[in-house]
Amino acid sequence: KAGVTQTPRYLIKTRGQQVTLSCSPISGHRSVSWYQQTPGQGLQFLFEYFSETQRNKGNFPGRFSGRQFSNSRSEMNVSTLELGDSALYLCASTSGTGEKTQYFGPGTRLLVL
Amino acid sequence: GQSLEQPSEVTAVEGAIVQINCTYQTSGFYGLSWYQQHDGGAPTFLSYNALDGLEETGRFSSFLSRSDSYGYLLLQELQMKDSASYFCAVLSTGRRALTFGSGTRLQVQP
Repeated sequence: KAGVTQTPRYLIKTRGQQVTLSCSPISGHRSVSWYQQTPGQGLQFLFEYFSETQRNKGNFPGRFSGRQFSNSRSEMNVSTLELGDSALYLCASTSGTGEKTQYFGPGTRLLVL
Repeated sequence: GQSLEQPSEVTAVEGAIVQINCTYQTSGFYGLSWYQQHDGGAPTFLSYNALDGLEETGRFSSFLSRSDSYGYLLLQELQMKDSASYFCAVLSTGRRALTFGSGTRLQVQP
């Protein structure tokens, strides 16, 4: 079974721009969660989608948004980028039906200049 | 809110045993997970405890005491490849997301 894939792997943007990141979960998994990882704040939960619906949301500003498609692929969007948005963005997938293990993708490393 | 505390760094030698502790504060506790992350890599699942006691998976074991809001990860027969960051994470009822600790950087020396 193929693992979680994320594209792109690396991205450089400038302040004020917007960015869209993509995540394809493990085949058959219906839940996708997004996390932001920075040296200062660690791993922080952004949001979780299941069957195209956002089920959970972390404490991030509205500039961070996401969506999920019918094939369970998910995208997250960050608008009006700030320097502090530079981070590793990780997505993780599970079956969404009580499974405790989250399977992480390799992440997208975003640098905002 | 939820918070987890774990040591920031631990150093040990090859072949030794190391224990990484994690204390947590959360409402609606469901379970405690442990993840390993090598530099530049993604977190990978190691273990999960929902009930008190010890779970063993090869060289790795994880322990949970719900009454003490405490758990630990035990790594035996340390190998150089075990050098990585280890995160404890809480899964709480009603949430399907993990709240992570700040991570413990383990350095295994020859």
